[in-house]
Amino acid sequence: NAGVTQTPKFRVLKTGQSMTLLCAQDMNHEYMYWYRQDPGMGLRLIHYSVGEGTTAKGEVPDGYNVSRLKKQNFLLGLESAAPSQTSVYFCASSYGWNTEAFFGQGTRLTVV
Amino acid sequence: QQPVQSPQAVILREGEDAVINCSSSKALYSVHWYRQKHGEAPVFLMILLKGGEQKGHDKISASFNEKKQQSSLYLTASQLSYSGTYFCGTYTNAGKSTFGDGTTLTVKP
Repeated sequence: NAGVTQTPKFRVLKTGQSMTLLCAQDMNHEYMYWYRQDPGMGLRLIHYSVGEGTTAKGEVPDGYNVSRLKKQNFLLGLESAAPSQTSVYFCASSYGWNTEAFFGQGTRLTVV
Repeated sequence: QQPVQSPQAVILREGEDAVINCSSSKALYSVHWYRQKHGEAPVFLMILLKGGEQKGHDKISASFNEKKQQSSLYLTASQLSYSGTYFCGTYTNAGKSTFGDGTTLTVKP
């Protein structure tokens, strides 16, 4: 049982480049989330989804886009990367709102 | 608005106890607690629901004071494996959830 899988695990981008982070879950969860975690800080919600085909903005959505075309996948896109987007990105999923969230292992992104 | 955790950091010897607090200015429906070890993903510990009882997980327990919008995490007889950063996540009646900035716990032999 893989749980929540994120790819890639590490990535270095140049300013202005674009990329997509993939999150896949095999628990049939409805809710999926993308967070960023900066050094010494907590998790900040970027975008989330409450089901296939739905997306919504979180606390810090600017500069990011998401898509949930399939229930098991949640994609996070950076259209034009900026150094301020250097962070560790975590994907999570949960059965419903206010239930236990399962996190992926994170993607460490550096924008130079 | 994110919850405030205190203390920011605590250092213990094995066997000692610790309390981590999480306070919100918003009316809360529930509080979640997670632990994150360095370089790893956060792992769920427990949920405290409004009107619910105090929860326990091995020697880690928590309470939720609805009147004060505050939750406390109690770590009893700490073990080396308890080291990590503890985050509270608060859920409001309006359906918003946010995480605190974490409390780093270091347990030394």
